[in-house]
Amino acid sequence: GDSVTQMEGPVTLSEEAFLTINCTYTATGYPSLFWYVQYPGEGLQLLLKATKADDKGSNKGFEATYRKETTSFHLEKGSVQVSDSAVYFCALLLPNTNAGKSTFGDGTTLTVKP
Amino acid sequence: GAGVSQSPRYKVAKRGQDVALRCDPISGHVSLFWYQQALGQGPEFLTYFQNEAQLDKSGLPSDRFFAERPEGSVSTLKIQRTQQEDSAVYLCASSRSGRGYEQYFGPGTRLTVT
Repeated sequence: GDSVTQMEGPVTLSEEAFLTINCTYTATGYPSLFWYVQYPGEGLQLLLKATKADDKGSNKGFEATYRKETTSFHLEKGSVQVSDSAVYFCALLLPNTNAGKSTFGDGTTLTVKP
Repeated sequence: GAGVSQSPRYKVAKRGQDVALRCDPISGHVSLFWYQQALGQGPEFLTYFQNEAQLDKSGLPSDRFFAERPEGSVSTLKIQRTQQEDSAVYLCASSRSGRGYEQYFGPGTRLTVT
Protein backbone atom coordinates (compact mmCIF):
# COMPACT_ATOMS: atom_id res chain seq x y z
CA GLY A 1 0.00 0.00 0.00
CA ASP A 2 0.91 3.67 -0.10
CA SER A 3 3.20 4.92 2.63
CA VAL A 4 5.32 7.87 3.68
CA THR A 5 8.47 7.63 5.78
CA GLN A 6 9.93 10.67 7.48
CA MET A 7 13.18 11.06 9.32
CA GLU A 8 12.69 10.53 13.00
CA GLY A 9 12.83 13.46 15.33
CA PRO A 10 12.93 15.44 17.32
CA VAL A 11 15.23 17.83 15.52
CA THR A 12 16.78 20.68 17.50
CA LEU A 13 18.61 23.49 15.74
CA SER A 14 19.98 26.87 16.56
CA GLU A 15 18.48 29.93 14.89
CA GLU A 16 19.82 30.53 11.36
CA ALA A 17 20.92 26.91 10.97
CA PHE A 18 20.18 24.91 7.81
CA LEU A 19 17.27 22.50 7.98
CA THR A 20 16.67 19.23 6.16
CA ILE A 21 13.83 16.87 6.99
CA ASN A 22 13.92 13.72 4.88
CA CYS A 23 10.80 12.20 3.37
CA THR A 24 10.49 9.16 1.11
CA TYR A 25 7.36 7.57 -0.21
CA THR A 26 5.92 4.41 -1.71
CA ALA A 27 2.93 4.74 -3.98
CA THR A 28 1.14 2.97 -6.78
CA GLY A 29 0.84 5.61 -9.44
CA TYR A 30 2.00 9.20 -9.55
CA PRO A 31 1.13 11.02 -6.36
CA SER A 32 1.07 14.67 -5.50
CA LEU A 33 3.34 15.41 -2.56
CA PHE A 34 2.80 17.82 0.30
CA TRP A 35 4.42 19.21 3.40
CA TYR A 36 2.11 20.30 6.19
CA VAL A 37 3.06 22.15 9.36
CA GLN A 38 1.26 21.87 12.68
CA TYR A 39 1.84 24.50 15.32
CA PRO A 40 0.96 23.70 18.94
CA GLY A 41 -2.78 23.54 19.46
CA GLU A 42 -3.57 24.15 15.83
CA GLY A 43 -4.62 22.09 12.83
CA LEU A 44 -2.45 21.16 9.90
CA GLN A 45 -1.55 23.95 7.49
CA LEU A 46 -0.36 23.29 3.99
CA LEU A 47 3.23 24.50 3.70
CA LEU A 48 4.04 23.55 0.11
CA LYS A 49 3.24 21.03 -2.57
CA ALA A 50 4.47 19.51 -5.82
CA THR A 51 2.29 17.65 -8.28
CA LYS A 52 4.76 16.06 -10.68
CA ALA A 53 8.35 14.91 -10.94
CA ASP A 54 11.03 17.62 -10.73
CA ASP A 55 8.54 20.21 -9.49
CA LYS A 56 9.83 22.36 -6.65
CA GLY A 57 7.38 23.56 -4.04
CA SER A 58 8.34 26.60 -2.00
CA ASN A 59 6.81 28.80 0.66
CA LYS A 60 8.09 30.97 3.53
CA GLY A 61 11.69 30.07 2.73
CA PHE A 62 11.01 26.33 2.74
CA GLU A 63 11.60 24.25 -0.37
CA ALA A 64 11.12 20.66 -1.45
CA THR A 65 11.75 19.02 -4.83
CA TYR A 66 9.75 16.04 -6.10
CA ARG A 67 12.38 13.40 -6.96
CA LYS A 68 10.76 10.50 -8.73
CA GLU A 69 14.01 8.56 -9.20
CA THR A 70 14.63 8.45 -5.46
CA THR A 71 10.93 8.65 -4.44
CA SER A 72 11.78 11.53 -2.14
CA PHE A 73 10.48 14.95 -1.18
CA HIS A 74 12.94 16.33 1.36
CA LEU A 75 12.10 19.61 3.09
CA GLU A 76 14.82 22.25 3.33
CA LYS A 77 15.25 25.76 4.68
CA GLY A 78 18.43 27.74 4.55
CA SER A 79 18.03 29.67 7.80
CA VAL A 80 15.49 28.61 10.40
CA GLN A 81 13.83 30.91 12.91
CA VAL A 82 12.42 30.27 16.36
CA SER A 83 8.95 30.71 14.88
CA ASP A 84 9.53 27.64 12.65
CA SER A 85 9.31 25.40 15.72
CA ALA A 86 6.46 23.01 14.93
CA VAL A 87 5.68 19.49 13.75
CA TYR A 88 6.16 18.87 10.04
CA PHE A 89 4.27 16.18 8.12
CA CYS A 90 5.02 14.83 4.69
CA ALA A 91 2.02 13.48 2.80
CA LEU A 92 1.03 12.04 -0.53
CA LEU A 93 -2.21 12.15 -2.44
CA LEU A 94 -3.12 10.04 -5.42
CA PRO A 95 -5.18 12.37 -7.60
CA ASN A 96 -6.63 9.79 -9.92
CA THR A 97 -8.71 8.06 -7.31
CA ASN A 98 -12.17 9.00 -6.23
CA ALA A 99 -11.25 8.95 -2.59
CA GLY A 100 -8.53 11.55 -2.76
CA LYS A 101 -7.44 10.62 0.73
CA SER A 102 -4.01 11.66 1.93
CA THR A 103 -1.40 9.35 3.41
CA PHE A 104 0.78 10.99 6.04
CA GLY A 105 4.14 10.32 7.64
CA ASP A 106 4.43 10.27 11.40
CA GLY A 107 5.71 13.82 11.62
CA THR A 108 9.02 15.39 12.62
CA THR A 109 9.16 17.78 15.55
CA LEU A 110 11.44 20.75 14.99
CA THR A 111 12.61 22.95 17.83
CA VAL A 112 14.63 26.05 17.00
CA LYS A 113 16.55 27.67 19.86
CA PRO A 114 17.56 31.34 19.86
CA GLY B 1 -16.51 30.82 6.78
CA ALA B 2 -12.84 31.59 6.61
CA GLY B 3 -11.71 28.07 7.35
CA VAL B 4 -12.73 24.66 8.54
CA SER B 5 -14.15 24.74 12.05
CA GLN B 6 -14.64 21.88 14.46
CA SER B 7 -16.48 21.57 17.75
CA PRO B 8 -15.96 20.88 20.50
CA ARG B 9 -12.22 21.50 20.60
CA TYR B 10 -11.85 19.22 23.60
CA LYS B 11 -14.04 16.40 24.79
CA VAL B 12 -13.66 14.16 27.79
CA ALA B 13 -15.86 11.09 27.83
CA LYS B 14 -16.19 8.22 30.23
CA ARG B 15 -15.71 4.81 28.73
CA GLY B 16 -18.97 3.59 27.29
CA GLN B 17 -20.40 7.03 26.53
CA ASP B 18 -21.40 8.14 23.05
CA VAL B 19 -19.83 11.26 21.54
CA ALA B 20 -20.57 13.42 18.52
CA LEU B 21 -17.97 15.59 16.84
CA ARG B 22 -18.93 18.34 14.44
CA CYS B 23 -17.17 19.70 11.38
CA ASP B 24 -18.09 22.82 9.40
CA PRO B 25 -16.17 22.76 6.11
CA ILE B 26 -15.23 25.72 3.99
CA SER B 27 -18.30 26.97 2.16
CA GLY B 28 -18.64 25.42 -1.27
CA HIS B 29 -16.15 22.63 -0.67
CA VAL B 30 -17.45 19.44 -2.17
CA SER B 31 -15.25 16.95 -0.39
CA LEU B 32 -14.95 16.33 3.32
CA PHE B 33 -12.55 14.01 5.11
CA TRP B 34 -12.19 12.74 8.66
CA TYR B 35 -8.83 11.67 10.04
CA GLN B 36 -7.74 10.26 13.40
CA GLN B 37 -4.41 11.41 14.81
CA ALA B 38 -2.97 9.45 17.69
CA LEU B 39 -0.36 11.08 19.90
CA GLY B 40 2.98 11.32 18.14
CA GLN B 41 1.68 9.99 14.84
CA GLY B 42 0.44 11.34 11.57
CA PRO B 43 -3.25 11.54 10.70
CA GLU B 44 -4.89 8.30 9.60
CA PHE B 45 -7.77 8.39 7.13
CA LEU B 46 -11.19 7.46 8.48
CA THR B 47 -13.81 8.37 5.91
CA TYR B 48 -14.60 10.62 2.94
CA PHE B 49 -17.70 12.38 1.63
CA GLN B 50 -18.38 13.91 -1.71
CA ASN B 51 -21.35 16.17 -1.08
CA GLU B 52 -23.72 14.03 1.00
CA ALA B 53 -22.47 10.70 -0.32
CA GLN B 54 -20.06 8.73 1.81
CA LEU B 55 -17.77 7.30 -0.85
CA ASP B 56 -15.14 5.69 1.34
CA LYS B 57 -15.41 4.53 4.92
CA SER B 58 -12.62 2.00 4.78
CA GLY B 59 -10.66 3.70 7.56
CA LEU B 60 -13.35 3.54 10.24
CA PRO B 61 -11.85 1.24 12.89
CA SER B 62 -15.07 -0.44 14.00
CA ASP B 63 -18.83 -0.33 13.65
CA ARG B 64 -18.90 1.95 16.69
CA PHE B 65 -17.78 4.76 14.39
CA PHE B 66 -20.35 6.42 12.21
CA ALA B 67 -20.19 9.59 10.09
CA GLU B 68 -22.82 11.53 8.24
CA ARG B 69 -23.15 14.61 6.09
CA PRO B 70 -26.88 14.72 5.34
CA GLU B 71 -27.04 18.02 3.47
CA GLY B 72 -23.61 17.96 1.92
CA SER B 73 -22.20 20.61 4.23
CA VAL B 74 -21.79 20.06 7.99
CA SER B 75 -20.60 16.62 9.01
CA THR B 76 -20.82 14.73 12.28
CA LEU B 77 -18.57 11.90 13.40
CA LYS B 78 -20.23 9.79 16.06
CA ILE B 79 -18.49 7.27 18.25
CA GLN B 80 -20.66 4.91 20.23
CA ARG B 81 -19.65 3.17 23.45
CA THR B 82 -16.27 4.92 23.54
CA GLN B 83 -13.18 2.96 24.50
CA GLN B 84 -9.83 4.21 25.78
CA GLU B 85 -8.18 3.41 22.47
CA ASP B 86 -10.48 5.96 20.85
CA SER B 87 -8.55 8.75 22.59
CA ALA B 88 -7.00 10.84 19.81
CA VAL B 89 -7.34 14.08 17.91
CA TYR B 90 -10.02 13.89 15.24
CA LEU B 91 -9.27 16.10 12.27
CA CYS B 92 -11.68 17.23 9.62
CA ALA B 93 -10.55 18.49 6.22
CA SER B 94 -12.35 19.80 3.17
CA SER B 95 -11.37 20.40 -0.42
CA ARG B 96 -12.96 21.69 -3.58
CA SER B 97 -12.80 18.23 -5.05
CA GLY B 98 -11.56 14.83 -4.02
CA ARG B 99 -9.53 14.44 -7.16
CA GLY B 100 -6.17 15.74 -6.04
CA TYR B 101 -7.03 19.19 -4.76
CA GLU B 102 -5.32 20.24 -1.56
CA GLN B 103 -7.14 19.67 1.68
CA TYR B 104 -7.76 22.36 4.29
CA PHE B 105 -7.74 21.13 7.86
CA GLY B 106 -9.66 22.22 10.90
CA PRO B 107 -8.05 22.58 14.35
CA GLY B 108 -9.26 19.17 15.45
CA THR B 109 -11.19 17.80 18.40
CA ARG B 110 -9.10 16.22 21.13
CA LEU B 111 -11.05 13.30 22.57
CA THR B 112 -9.96 11.79 25.86
CA VAL B 113 -11.73 8.67 27.06
CA THR B 114 -11.29 7.98 30.77
